[in-house]
Order: sequence, then C-alpha cells, then structure tokens
Amino acid sequence: QVQLQQWGAGLLKPSETLSLTCAVYGGSFSGYYWSWIRQPPGKGLEWIGEINHSGSTNYNPSLKSRVTISVDTSKNQFSLKLSSVTAADTAVYYCARVSNLVTIFGVVEYSWFDPWGQGTLVTVSS
Amino acid sequence: SSELTQDPAVSVALGQTVRITCQGDSLRSYYASWYQQKPGQAPVLVIYGKNNRPSGIPDRFSGSSSGNTASLTITGAQAEDEADYYCNSRDSSGNLSVVFGGGTKLTVL
Repeated sequence: QVQLQQWGAGLLKPSETLSLTCAVYGGSFSGYYWSWIRQPPGKGLEWIGEINHSGSTNYNPSLKSRVTISVDTSKNQFSLKLSSVTAADTAVYYCARVSNLVTIFGVVEYSWFDPWGQGTLVTVSS
Repeated sequence: SSELTQDPAVSVALGQTVRITCQGDSLRSYYASWYQQKPGQAPVLVIYGKNNRPSGIPDRFSGSSSGNTASLTITGAQAEDEADYYCNSRDSSGNLSVVFGGGTKLTVL
C-alpha cells in the first residue's frame, strides 16, 4: 500500500522560499504524476502543480512564476519550492499521487488524487 | 482557467439520500473525482471517474455526470458522513491544470 510522508519548514518570513519534500513508500514511483495541493485555513483546496518520474511538470498558471516542483527518482521523492512567500501562502500543504485514465488516443479522460500525505502547515509571518 | 462551483452547505436527515453537485465547463470534457475531508484530516478519495469507488469506501457513495454537472450521491447518509466534500477535474482550457470546487459542507441531522 502506497504511503506518502511529507516534511518541511513550518514557519517562514515574507519573501522567503517555502520548501517541502514528499517521500513515496510501498509502491511504484514511475507511471504516475505526483502533485502538491494546498488549503488555506478555513478555505478550499488549491492545486499547485505536478511532476512525473521523468521530470515533466504542469503548474497552476496563477502560481507558475513562483513554483518549482522537482523529483529525485533515486529516493522516490519529489519536492516543492515556492518563492517570495507572503501571508497569502499560509496554508496546509499536501502531497498526493495523481492517477490518470488515458484513452487509446492518449487523451486524459479523468484524473484522481490518492493517496494523500498527512499535510504540513506552513505559516508565513513576520 | 475553468472553475467548478459547489453549493457551500447541504444538510440531510440521518438515513436519507443527499446529492452534492459540482458544475463547470470542464465537466463537459472530463469526469469529476470526489473527496471527503473531515476536520484536521487530509482529504480522502471517495469517487473517481464515471462512478468508481476506491477500496474501503462504502457503496452508499456513488457518482454520476450529465452535461456540465457532476453529482455525488450518498444513499442512506450516516453520521460519519458529515464532512466537507470537494470535486475536481482537469481544466478544459488546454493547459492540463487541475481545478477543485470550493467544497460543500455536509451536515447530517
């Protein structure tokens, strides 16, 4: 059974860079995308981006200029960096595995996130 | 980019059936997936694709889709189903982004 374990700094000052890592245990690392999602306190979920084992990435257009997602296949880990953080970046950050159903024509029919990491609360405050 | 719209709150009497909906243009191209989130916990996948339930999810949870609307139905709601529910799909604007609905708070009375 696949499990995701995440870690990283929980308190940042404005303008610093958020850095989180997620390790994948107990399953295949290749063949999937791996994603970061965040949730501000009391609010809904926001997708940040994803990466596959080859390093191919997709990012949320609203965050793309500040986000870097990278992968270390030797450790079955992937990481998130978000630069120039502000108080608006305060949130619980989750990592998750992305599965895609792809048609015979190579078109994604739908995607789902399962499992999820335990979440990391990141607070940005001066 | 696309948006997915959910009712902020829905209530259901214990043992009754409730439908939670999710609307958006992207749902004309992609099936939705649904997640249950209880306070202080990570979201849990309950339905994905046309109407697929992960192992361990009770069969009282089901999904459907029509046009630009996806629905999550709970048949015979239980007290433990009280939670926030989120839908998501790929963005149909062509950039392979993912969009989430704003979430629905389900109260079981």
